Amino acid sequence: NAGVMQNPRHLVRRRGQEARLRCSPMKGHSHVYWYRQLPEEGLKFMVYLQKENIIDESGMPKERFSAEFPKEGPSILRIQQVVRGDSAAYFCASSQSFEQLYGYTFGSGTRLTVV
Amino acid sequence: SQQGEEDPQALSIQEGENATMNCSYKTSINNLQWYRQNSGRGLVHLILIRSNEREKHSGRLRVTLDTSKKSSSLLITASRAADTASYFCATSKGGSEKLVFGKGTKLTVNP
Repeated sequence: NAGVMQNPRHLVRRRGQEARLRCSPMKGHSHVYWYRQLPEEGLKFMVYLQKENIIDESGMPKERFSAEFPKEGPSILRIQQVVRGDSAAYFCASSQSFEQLYGYTFGSGTRLTVV
Repeated sequence: SQQGEEDPQALSIQEGENATMNCSYKTSINNLQWYRQNSGRGLVHLILIRSNEREKHSGRLRVTLDTSKKSSSLLITASRAADTASYFCATSKGGSEKLVFGKGTKLTVNP
């Protein structure tokens, strides 16, 4: 049981480039959530996905950000044309059940730095 | 906003002492969860308390929930240096609803 796997751990991008963040949920978990954390802040919800479906994207910026969770493979958070304000830690969490009986399991995060 | 707010923002204690952190929120909830985050790492789920529960224990952790005051507290007894971390409360309206996090309490336990 490898837990929630995120990669890369650290990602440096120049302004205008694309960033792709990957998340493999825990085995048996079908609910994936992406959160963003700015320095000294709590986590802010971005998007909730199940396999091949976006359930809630109310926290996603309207432009440049997209997320997917394909039938096969990890969930991907994609940020196009990155700007300095996108620099943050991005965390993925997965849960087993609709009812959140046991809380979420978080990955170690991807720290994105835009230079 | 449903956002939880923890206080204090920072807490420094000696090993062996108890640490109490508080969380307030604004809207009705289905459950409240506490997470720990070590510096530069992901969050670790500590405990979940449902809106119909008043108190829950897990090892050295004790969580209380007062829905009338929309507040919760996390007590860590007999603290250890390894408890040094940031602690976040997060509320949920249940089901598939997202978690809403506070800004956290930074706990330092001095050996």
